[in-house]
Amino acid sequence: DTEVTQTPKHLVMGMTNKKSLKCEQHMGHRAMYWYKQKAKKPPELMFVYSYEKLSINESVPSRFSPECPNSSLLNLHLHALQPEDSALYLCASSPAGTGPQPQHFGDGTRLSIL
Amino acid sequence: AQSVTQPDIHITVSEGASLELRCNYSYGATPYLFWYVQSPGQGLQLLLKYFSGDTLVQGIKGFEAEFKRSQSSFNLRKPSVHWSDAAEYFCAVDAGNMLTFGGGTRLMVKP
Repeated sequence: DTEVTQTPKHLVMGMTNKKSLKCEQHMGHRAMYWYKQKAKKPPELMFVYSYEKLSINESVPSRFSPECPNSSLLNLHLHALQPEDSALYLCASSPAGTGPQPQHFGDGTRLSIL
Repeated sequence: AQSVTQPDIHITVSEGASLELRCNYSYGATPYLFWYVQSPGQGLQLLLKYFSGDTLVQGIKGFEAEFKRSQSSFNLRKPSVHWSDAAEYFCAVDAGNMLTFGGGTRLMVKP
């Protein structure tokens, strides 16, 4: 059982729609991440939040808008996506602090853009 | 810049046979290394990690990995593979709260 919960599990949307992906963790972690994973490829980092502040944006297009309303919740707002944005979107969390910390992943949201 | 290479894209082993998945990294500082497993339709599960100390680390599900600094390697091993081990395996290096993943190795298990 995963301790990072992502909803929805599947999402199909048109290019003009607006939707949001949600990620929740109750492990007290203060770092949260969004990754994009295409089929047969490793995850690619999109955003990192540390103590609810955006610390890393890996040059992600503005049609993806992250939000961290509190320490347990991470959202990814989607607008005007393109077919190439179809992928598995993974959320992860880790304890924040000095030194490396293992990241705990959710099961992802599989997104299909029509 | 850091990088991780997993030379084997696919590996097929018979159930009960031993397994070794290769991982080579490139990183200027002390590497912090991880192995993750991903089953179809699921997220990544941490198998084990190496930060420092004993170069042979034990993980979950009977996996172990050995860090060899001289070879810049962190190979994953299991003495006897089970059919449920069929999955995608990713090696990763931590570079300041940013994971860099290798390309992955898909493990298939023959009955």
